[in-house]
Amino acid sequence: GQQVMQIPQYQHVQEGEDFTTYCNSSTTLSNIQWYKQRPGGHPVFLIQLVKSGEVKKQKRLTFQFGEAKKNSSLHITATQTTDVGTYFCAGMFSGGYNKLIFGAGTRLAVHP
Amino acid sequence: SAVISQKPSRDICQRGTSLTIQCQVDSQVTMMFWYRQQPGQSLTLIATANQGSEATYESGFVIDKFPISRPNLTFSTLTVSNMSPEDSSIYLCSVGPGLNTEAFFGQGTRLTVV
Repeated sequence: GQQVMQIPQYQHVQEGEDFTTYCNSSTTLSNIQWYKQRPGGHPVFLIQLVKSGEVKKQKRLTFQFGEAKKNSSLHITATQTTDVGTYFCAGMFSGGYNKLIFGAGTRLAVHP
Repeated sequence: SAVISQKPSRDICQRGTSLTIQCQVDSQVTMMFWYRQQPGQSLTLIATANQGSEATYESGFVIDKFPISRPNLTFSTLTVSNMSPEDSSIYLCSVGPGLNTEAFFGQGTRLTVV
């Protein structure tokens, strides 16, 4: 079936260190979206990547979509305590009627 | 954007009973999605609900256990039937995404079955 794998499951960093989470699909994605979920909250949209090799930046966050549209990454530069939460990638597959398949998520803890 | 009102926000239920979760959207949407998120886990899609047709269920989820209604373009309900402690989870409704738009989520319903 359609699956999106995401690693690592957990990441603990010191404030100011960088953080990266990776997603991979065995089949080509139509697009990939990234969401952040704070403890006790619901997922909130961060970005969508559609084009092969696409790179998008939001301040300290950099999102990449692989050339084959099978993998993606989120990199946070110089983490802050406000970055704490779980980051999910969610893939959309062709013919998937716009449903999103979520990765397992990476829980980020930032120690001051 | 879309604003989704989901209720109840939480409930504690006895095993063997049923709970109906409601989601109201502030605009008309074609598709609504229902997810389950077990503590510390990812979101698992339960079903896709289109107005005017039966919901489409994902593998592992069946209509008898999770009946869904979609009476109009702004409202949907998910019922968790004959509950057991294994059904304890957070249930989320969602609208979108479109081809180039994001998904919006309700605040979630935290269900505990005792």
